[in-house]
Amino acid sequence: DTGVSQDPRHKITKRGQNVTFRCDPISEHNRLYWYRQTLGQGPEFLTYFQNEAQLEKSRLLSDRFSAERPKGSFSTLEIQRTEQGDSAMYLCASSNPGQLIHEQYFGPGTRLTVT
Amino acid sequence: AQSVTQLGSHVSVSEGALVLLRCNYSSSVPPYLFWYVQYPNQGLQLLLKYTSAATLVKGINGFEAEFKKSETSFHLTKPSAHMSDAAEYFCAVSVYNQGGKLIFGQGTELSVKP
Repeated sequence: DTGVSQDPRHKITKRGQNVTFRCDPISEHNRLYWYRQTLGQGPEFLTYFQNEAQLEKSRLLSDRFSAERPKGSFSTLEIQRTEQGDSAMYLCASSNPGQLIHEQYFGPGTRLTVT
Repeated sequence: AQSVTQLGSHVSVSEGALVLLRCNYSSSVPPYLFWYVQYPNQGLQLLLKYTSAATLVKGINGFEAEFKKSETSFHLTKPSAHMSDAAEYFCAVSVYNQGGKLIFGQGTELSVKP
């Protein structure tokens, strides 16, 4: 069990550029979640997948955001035409719904800075 | 809708003193409750979880929390603070029939003075 991994750990980009983040969940976990955390705040839910199906998207996920999990394993989160307000830590978590409690395991996060 | 309120954005204690971090939740159905800890520039680590089996829940690093339905609270405690406990702590709630997504409080930063 290597845990949840995210890549890159840090990303600095200029406003208007596109960025893509990757998350690799724990191998036997078929649920994958994305959260966004701004400075001094708790994480906010963005979206989640069960296998390859995206089952829920938050209102926070504007049209510039898209997430995929094509083979039910790793997931990508893309932000198009980045804005300074997108600067945040993007956290990925995975869980095994075979367990009664949806205990989520988090990755180290990707910190995005938009200049 | 579910929500979490953490009372006190900053808590400072002396090493060896009692740690008490407060969390109140709102949920129309029986909730699942969690406490996570976050060290600087890192992800979240699960400290403990309430699964409805027992109201007093013990977690890692000597932390525990008590679920009080009448007070809608799930406060986190540790009898004796250690310098390594300095971190950000988040209380979170999830509901079984909502995909397991977590709703977090705003967090409490714990400082430990020598």
